[in-house]
Parts: sequence; C-alpha cells; structure tokens
Amino acid sequence: DAGITQSPRHKVTETGTPVTLRCHQTENHRYMYWYRQDPGHGLRLIHYSYGVKDTDKGEVSDGYSVSRSKTEDFLLTLESATSSQTSVYFCAITRQGGSPLHFGNGTRLTVT
Amino acid sequence: KQEVTQIPAALSVPEGENLVLNCSFTDSAIYNLQWFRQDPGKGLTSLLLIQSSQREQTSGRLNASLDKSSGRSTLYIAASQPGDSATYLCAVPLVMDSSYKLIFGSGTRLLVRP
Repeated sequence: DAGITQSPRHKVTETGTPVTLRCHQTENHRYMYWYRQDPGHGLRLIHYSYGVKDTDKGEVSDGYSVSRSKTEDFLLTLESATSSQTSVYFCAITRQGGSPLHFGNGTRLTVT
Repeated sequence: KQEVTQIPAALSVPEGENLVLNCSFTDSAIYNLQWFRQDPGKGLTSLLLIQSSQREQTSGRLNASLDKSSGRSTLYIAASQPGDSATYLCAVPLVMDSSYKLIFGSGTRLLVRP
C-alpha cells in the first residue's frame, strides 16, 4: 500500500443522485488519477491531475468532474449518477513521469 | 493512437511451470512500460517498470523484457506457484507537456493449478 486511501469502499446510490468519491494520499505525489474498471472494457481513465488545481480529462470523462484543492486529495464527483456509472473506481498516484504508478484498493459503486 | 494488447486473455498452467505473458503496443515511441498484478477485489500492484533505455528488469522470479522496435514486452514467471494466480496487466504512458497518463492492456488472467 503506497499510502492511498479511497473512500467510501462501497456505495449504493439511486439514479440521479450526486456522488463524490475521495482519494487521499500521504506520499506528496504530483500526479493523481481516477480510473474505472469494467468487465470487457478493462481500465479506462476518467480524469487526472498533474498538480493542485491542474486537472484534465481522460477517455471517459462525460458525466464526471474532479477537483484537487490540495496535494493530498483528489475528488471525483458524479453530478447525477446513472446506471452506466456502476463500476469499480480506482485512484492511482505517481511521483513523476517515469515513476511507478500505485493504486488504491478501489471503490465499488452501484447505481440502482 | 497508442493501443496495448495482451494475449492470451486467460492462461492455466500446472504448478512449477515457467511461463511467459505477452504485451504488445502499437506506437514504439514509449517512455517506459509497467507490469502490474491484480488480485480479485483488489487494486493493482506494480511489479516491474522498464524504462525505454532498458532491455529488461528482474524481481525475484519475475523478469520483464522490452523490445521497442517490435512493440513487445514479455513477463517471464519462473517456477510458477498457486500464489501467482492473478490478472497481469501491462501499461505504457502517453506523455505530452505536463500530462502523463497510462494506457492499459486488458490483462491476462493466470491460474496456476496445484
């Protein structure tokens, strides 16, 4: 465990409800990422951050927003959850380009 | 566009066998390549990272090689054990200005039978 905590670990929510997932790191790493993992699709990048208040979109960013107001926290928000956002969400961090990527244990989100 | 492919999708071998997992990528101008392991219900664990200037990296019974010109990497597992059963994924980065993000293969699910 590279000092990454994701919360909550499990969540069930209803369609149309806003949801925020949190990733907290104690490593002071520059880069933070949100991925989702689904059967048949593998790992897909949602959003990432390359510094405080510096974020950019990944390949599946529609319906998601992120914020990073301090180095240690990266928040992923589903503004209005849909059933297609049922997935396992992983946060990852790396110190700099070229360094190993380290993952959290994931958040399993179910949207009913 | 960089694409990462892992074949086979699943592999079952008897304990003690040496085995090779394959990873291919379409754009050979990679910065590095990383191998991960994922156990069921868990996050990914970094196994080995090979820089573009390196040909291989070793950690215990694991050896990863990189051939940029052919767009291939292999992960060699010696004397496999049931505890090696997991999904193995490879990833290469897309690098642009301040951006650094990994593109993942879909993984090879390995079962080592006792």
